[in-house]
Amino acid sequence: EDQVTQSPEALRLQEGESSSLNCSYTVSGLRGLFWYRQDPGKGPEFLFTLYSAGEEKEKERLKATLTKKESFLHITAPKPEDSATYLCAVQAGLRRSGYALNFGKGTSLLVTP
Amino acid sequence: SAVISQKPSRDICQRGTSLTIQCQVDSQVTMMFWYRQQPGQSLTLIATANQGSEATYESGFVIDKFPISRPNLTFSTLTVSNMSPEDSSIYLCSVRGLSGANVLTFGAGSRLTVL
Repeated sequence: EDQVTQSPEALRLQEGESSSLNCSYTVSGLRGLFWYRQDPGKGPEFLFTLYSAGEEKEKERLKATLTKKESFLHITAPKPEDSATYLCAVQAGLRRSGYALNFGKGTSLLVTP
Repeated sequence: SAVISQKPSRDICQRGTSLTIQCQVDSQVTMMFWYRQQPGQSLTLIATANQGSEATYESGFVIDKFPISRPNLTFSTLTVSNMSPEDSSIYLCSVRGLSGANVLTFGAGSRLTVL
């Protein structure tokens, strides 16, 4: 069974204090790993897709990396507006629906001034 | 980018009643997905709704509890039937392909509280 585990559950950072969020996964046939950002009262907002080990993607202060077992979301010099819940999801083959994302529980990030 | 609108955004319901959530997309899409996000839990796929065919439900979800309609390529509804407090959750509509081939775009969600 596909599993996605995110750590830590919650993270508090000072503004400018860089850190990383972890997403560990076990899937049969990874077709893609996705990172989303979710603000309170809103739906998840797409950030990145990674498809193969060694791949990296960047957007402003965020950088996502992928290995065969996990992905990291690195946050460099975060600002208070980066506060949100960050969700990791994997797309695997062999689902009844033919296509589905399997989500982790997320990491709640708070960046204080 | 395309917009996904959900109604209602939130509601408080009585035990035993049913509520229908609407999802409207401003462009035509083949596949629409309904997810549930319970407090402290991960987003869980309820079913996939394709226009012109019956919805495909994930393990643990049944049509009698969560009937879905998909009358055209821009609209879908999810009904939560005979609600109990355990159904209190955020229900999210999503579509594929608006921001990339395999990327899901989500609506803002419908927060249901069952008393």
